[in-house]
Amino acid sequence: DAGVIQSPRHEVTEMGQEVTLRCKPISGHNSLFWYRQTMMRGLELLIYFNNNVPIDDSGMPEDRFSAKMPNASFSTLKIQPSEPRDSAVYFCASSLQTDTQYFGPGTRLTVL
Amino acid sequence: AQSVTQLGSHVSVSEGALVLLRCNYSSSVPPYLFWYVQYPNQGLQLLLKYTSAATLVKGINGFEAEFKKSETSFHLTKPSAHMSDAAEYFCAVSESGGSNYKLTFGKGTLLTVNP
Repeated sequence: DAGVIQSPRHEVTEMGQEVTLRCKPISGHNSLFWYRQTMMRGLELLIYFNNNVPIDDSGMPEDRFSAKMPNASFSTLKIQPSEPRDSAVYFCASSLQTDTQYFGPGTRLTVL
Repeated sequence: AQSVTQLGSHVSVSEGALVLLRCNYSSSVPPYLFWYVQYPNQGLQLLLKYTSAATLVKGINGFEAEFKKSETSFHLTKPSAHMSDAAEYFCAVSESGGSNYKLTFGKGTLLTVNP
């Protein structure tokens, strides 16, 4: 299996621009998670989906952040408008029910 | 609510020495506990997990961890450190049973291995 795939691996953008991060979970997994990692706050869960339905988005920082999962093999995390404080590494992870979460390689976002 | 505390943000050991990374948790229900490792510029990789079976859990790369309910601890150990063990290690907790799939992570411990 190819594992969790994320794109792009690196993104540099200017403040105010829209950013879209993409994730393809492991085939057959029915739970998908978006995390953000920063030096200051560590690893934070932003949102997770089960069977393509958002279950808990309490970690989403504010309305500028949105996430979708239109089907079992694809999810997006969108930031609009982006701000410098959004600079972080964003990870996607997938799992089968409550089993182990498998992480993607991450997207390093820099907002200038 | 659940939480994880990793004591020591940075641990340095010599090659061949014992590795001990500390993790204490708080959970209102019996927990599932995990250790993940993150190598530079990579995602997190599962080392081992405790899901209410044996309290001593063996993982990959010679690591193991012991669940101690009385101490609410899940410390990670390895008898002899290798240079390749240098990485950041994260302890995580989730609630057992039900439909709560959320993992709560500690802040991480950076392990340095000196030659």
